[in-house]
Amino acid sequence: TQLLEQSPQFLSIQEGENLTVYCNSSSVFSSLQWYRQEPGEGPVLLVTVVTGGEVKKLKRLTFQFGDARKDSSLHITAAQPGDTGLYLCAGERTDKLIFGTGTRLQVFP
Amino acid sequence: DAGITQSPRHKVTETGTPVTLRCHQTENHRYMYWYRQDPGHGLRLIHYSYGVKDTDKGEVSDGYSVSRSKTEDFLLTLESATSSQTSVYFCATNRGGNTEAFFGQGTRLTVV
Repeated sequence: TQLLEQSPQFLSIQEGENLTVYCNSSSVFSSLQWYRQEPGEGPVLLVTVVTGGEVKKLKRLTFQFGDARKDSSLHITAAQPGDTGLYLCAGERTDKLIFGTGTRLQVFP
Repeated sequence: DAGITQSPRHKVTETGTPVTLRCHQTENHRYMYWYRQDPGHGLRLIHYSYGVKDTDKGEVSDGYSVSRSKTEDFLLTLESATSSQTSVYFCATNRGGNTEAFFGQGTRLTVV
């Protein structure tokens, strides 16, 4: 069992739909990060959330950090084909940067 | 772009042979990490380093060793490769303290 569990594992939707990806843990994190990875590339940072209850927006993407700092969510409004990719949450524990299990998103035109 | 280079980018090796993957950074980042990526598991931490000659185990360290003799280089060695170690390996670096991690392009390793 990995420390950070993401759900769903796969998501296949039509352009224009909304979606939410969840990142859950039984442990408290000082902050959580969200990355996106495209095929053949390494992950790239989207956002870092630091304060419990914090909400950050990046265009059509909304990130929230749980009040207890054990979970986070990523909401995409009006998904576009360009949003297709693997979304990963990550948190630091005693110097270790731990990644979640990943959510693979496919957005069809 | 952060200067993180992995070599080789692709490798096919036989079961039982030792294999070394190299990660080179030009960012002077203190922390370096090795991950493996397999379907359904996201990225799993193998080993990491928090300074020259300072390394520690991650989640899936069995069968792997690492060395860091210089700030810029972090080597991952599969002591005796097995088919279960077929995977894509990523190196990452950061300054620590929840800062952004930068990744290399990955190494696709196949053990036959």
